Amino acid sequence: RKEVEQDPGPFNVPEGATVAFNCTYSNSASQSFFWYRQDCRKEPKLLMSVYSSGNEDGRFTAQLNRASQYISLLIRDSKLSDSATYLCVVTDSWGKFQFGAGTQVVVTP
Amino acid sequence: GAVVSQHPSWVICKSGTSVKIECRSLDFQATTMFWYRQFPKQSLMLMATSNEGSKATYEQGVEKDKFLINHASLTLSTLTVTSAHPEDSSFYICSASSGRDYEQYFGPGTRLTVT
Repeated sequence: RKEVEQDPGPFNVPEGATVAFNCTYSNSASQSFFWYRQDCRKEPKLLMSVYSSGNEDGRFTAQLNRASQYISLLIRDSKLSDSATYLCVVTDSWGKFQFGAGTQVVVTP
Repeated sequence: GAVVSQHPSWVICKSGTSVKIECRSLDFQATTMFWYRQFPKQSLMLMATSNEGSKATYEQGVEKDKFLINHASLTLSTLTVTSAHPEDSSFYICSASSGRDYEQYFGPGTRLTVT
């Protein structure tokens, strides 16, 4: 079983709609959680950290459920520029990053 | 702030040759640098972790004699792919951490093609 699992998608989303997807992790001792965005053939860029109480950054909302070992990302009012692959990152107690394979989001006009 | 550069951004080399990739933290001191590899439609896989002035720690399955890592200063780490083969063709990405938190700052990546 992979340590970090994501639905690869693609999630085809009409512009202006809301899309949400999850990421599950296997290590209950995981310390920190992040969502990164990766555009085609580019490096990952930090989208947001995920806090236990949940957090919001503009149109993006992240949630953490430690009991069920998953994190989620919700994108409201999707823009064409939101089309990308969203990578879930979980760190272990040593701070080592474990990446998911990514969820592809395609926002259509 | 927190800018990481990589050079070259892409390289094509012949089988059997060696390729060196540089990773630099431009505006902070990176106590730890990480090297990742990403194959198409797959996740980033950590290859090794390097701390300035000490030997790199390689992940299981990564040959340390094939992927030579040097972290000679707080702003520079290099990855040398020795005797490259076509199966080494991949997207190599470095990241750097200042050590203050868990955050890693990624370089733009190097696309290696071995013919």
